[in-house]
Amino acid sequence: QKEVEQNSGPLSVPEGAIASLNCTYSDRGSQSFFWYRQYSGKSPELIMSIYSNGDKEDGRFTAQLNKASQYVSLLIRDSQPSDSATYLCAVVGAAGNKLTFGGGTRVLVKP
Amino acid sequence: EAQVTQNPRYLITVTGKKLTVTCSQNMNHEYMSWYRQDPGLGLRQIYYSMNVEVTDKGDVPEGYKVSRKEKRNFPLILESPSPNQTSLYFCASSRRVGDIQYFGAGTRLSVL
Repeated sequence: QKEVEQNSGPLSVPEGAIASLNCTYSDRGSQSFFWYRQYSGKSPELIMSIYSNGDKEDGRFTAQLNKASQYVSLLIRDSQPSDSATYLCAVVGAAGNKLTFGGGTRVLVKP
Repeated sequence: EAQVTQNPRYLITVTGKKLTVTCSQNMNHEYMSWYRQDPGLGLRQIYYSMNVEVTDKGDVPEGYKVSRKEKRNFPLILESPSPNQTSLYFCASSRRVGDIQYFGAGTRLSVL
């Protein structure tokens, strides 16, 4: 079992719709969770960080964390073609010394 | 401007010829790490460093070396590169491991 798992996609959504991305992790003691966006050939850039159970909103993005179920999700509201990218989930394990990335979910927003 | 600088951006080399990819950050970050990214495999950590003179293996350390003699620099060394090390490499830094990672622009390496 991979430590951090994501559906590779592609997730195809029409412009203006909500894109929902999921990520599960295996280390139950993990404390820090991140979503990064990566355009093809570019470096990852941070979208959201979340540390506590519940929802965290930033503009069109909402991160949701459920530690009991060991999943973290990202919602993108009013999806735009510029949101077309690969979204990487990253988790810091319980030992606190290592950041592990999932394989990424490719999102395609169609006009 | 806060940044992580990697050099070179592109490199083509031959099997067995030692090479070094440099990484430097100007944010006084303690945590630095190297990743490689391959199609379908995502970002995999090669080595990380919690602070000066403190380094540790990530998930795929075989064939790589690192050093952290100064806080700002974290070079990646391939003593004897092989074709399976052809990949896109990223250096990243943060104040601590549980903080926001800042990535360099990437180094695309081809080993023939």
